[in-house]
Amino acid sequence: QQQVKQSPQSLIVQKGGISIINCAYENTAFDYFPWYQQFPGKGPALLIAIRPDVSEKKEGRFTISFNKSAKQFSLHIMDSQPGDSATYFCAARGGDFGNEKLTFGTGTRLTIIP
Amino acid sequence: DTAVSQTPKYLVTQMGNDKSIKCEQNLGHDTMYWYKQDSKKFLKIMFSYNNKELIINETVPNRFSPKSPDKAHLNLHINSLELGDSAVYFCASSPSLSSYNSPLHFGNGTRLTVT
Repeated sequence: QQQVKQSPQSLIVQKGGISIINCAYENTAFDYFPWYQQFPGKGPALLIAIRPDVSEKKEGRFTISFNKSAKQFSLHIMDSQPGDSATYFCAARGGDFGNEKLTFGTGTRLTIIP
Repeated sequence: DTAVSQTPKYLVTQMGNDKSIKCEQNLGHDTMYWYKQDSKKFLKIMFSYNNKELIINETVPNRFSPKSPDKAHLNLHINSLELGDSAVYFCASSPSLSSYNSPLHFGNGTRLTVT
């Protein structure tokens, strides 16, 4: 069964600190790993994504680290700001060609405190 | 201009009723989806449509029937509503089904409460 395990469930970080959210997967056929950010009352929005042939991708304060051998990937938010407070979902794409779908992790509620 | 819009935003109804949720996207995307987010925030795909054709039906009870009159619209009709159907339902679209860099664009959700 395709699964993506995400931790922690909730995270509190001081402003200016580094927020780290981890995900692990089982299916080695997954070929695309996005992170989505969701604010209350809104739908998730794509934040950053990585392919398994790359070990790290950075966009501004957001970095994905990818460890293919360990089947793990993580989101790092540098210099965390109160506006980063949201729920974050990792995801992995898999399935037969023409039948691909995203499997989401269980979400991490991030709170940045002043 | 809202890219993916869903109506209604809130839906409160009694068990046994039938209800519909409408979704429209103005992004010109080929693929549309319905996702269900439960009270624990878990997001699970229900259906995907590509150019009006059903692609994924993720073992959803047949009380749920999606309909795509054209590739810009994907509606969800639910018959005989049950308490366990209470959730937030998200419509989403993407440029295509199979290519990379084809991110999901979500609507703002419809919060369904069944009493």
